[in-house]
Amino acid sequence: SSVLTQPPSVSVAPGKTATITCGRSDIGDKSVHWYQQRPGQAPVVVMYYDTDRPSGIPERFSGSKSANTATLTISRVEAGDEADYYCQVWDSGVGGVFGGGTKLTVL
Amino acid sequence: QVQLQESGPGLMKLSETLSLTCTVSGGSLSNYHWSWIRQSPGRGLEWIGYIYSNGRTNYNPSLKSRVTISVDTSKNQFSLKLSSVTAADTAVYYCAREMVAVGSPFDSWGRGILVTVSS
Repeated sequence: SSVLTQPPSVSVAPGKTATITCGRSDIGDKSVHWYQQRPGQAPVVVMYYDTDRPSGIPERFSGSKSANTATLTISRVEAGDEADYYCQVWDSGVGGVFGGGTKLTVL
Repeated sequence: QVQLQESGPGLMKLSETLSLTCTVSGGSLSNYHWSWIRQSPGRGLEWIGYIYSNGRTNYNPSLKSRVTISVDTSKNQFSLKLSSVTAADTAVYYCAREMVAVGSPFDSWGRGILVTVSS
């Protein structure tokens, strides 16, 4: 299946660590990218190729990956991190595939 | 800094052909794939397809029968046509850029344009 599975929502208190997962049995063989989408705005890439952080993205954002799960970790969460987060891979014969998205709520 | 801007009608009727254009400024179309991506409340982000500057295309199999993406390098624009629209095609449509390398991310996006299909 090409479906990337994300939890619909994650809640975290300010200053704590948020963990957002993206699951699929073959994800270990893929390059995973993560996007942040604030309300009314276009997505912005916050992590690419599993663990690389684009310039301008705080070091509080980090990525990791195992054989079947990719993870976006946000340390010392701030109110401004509240957004929807999407993972994305490329599948041969299908093209770009996105996860269903995770709404991060900062309590 | 490259900028992308979508344009086109925001309201359509059932069975019409959706037609959108993305204008790219601050950079050339060369060396990138140029994609259309849409987002509807019920289906999240959905990749529609991309085009390279030489006209080579790749489409999402689920939409392939209805999609045509074209490029006009003289105007630094690329366009989307989606035929026989239904209510399920109501979405915000984004254009986006991706490097021509295996598995690259979408590193620049337009602001998006809402297209509503009504009867």
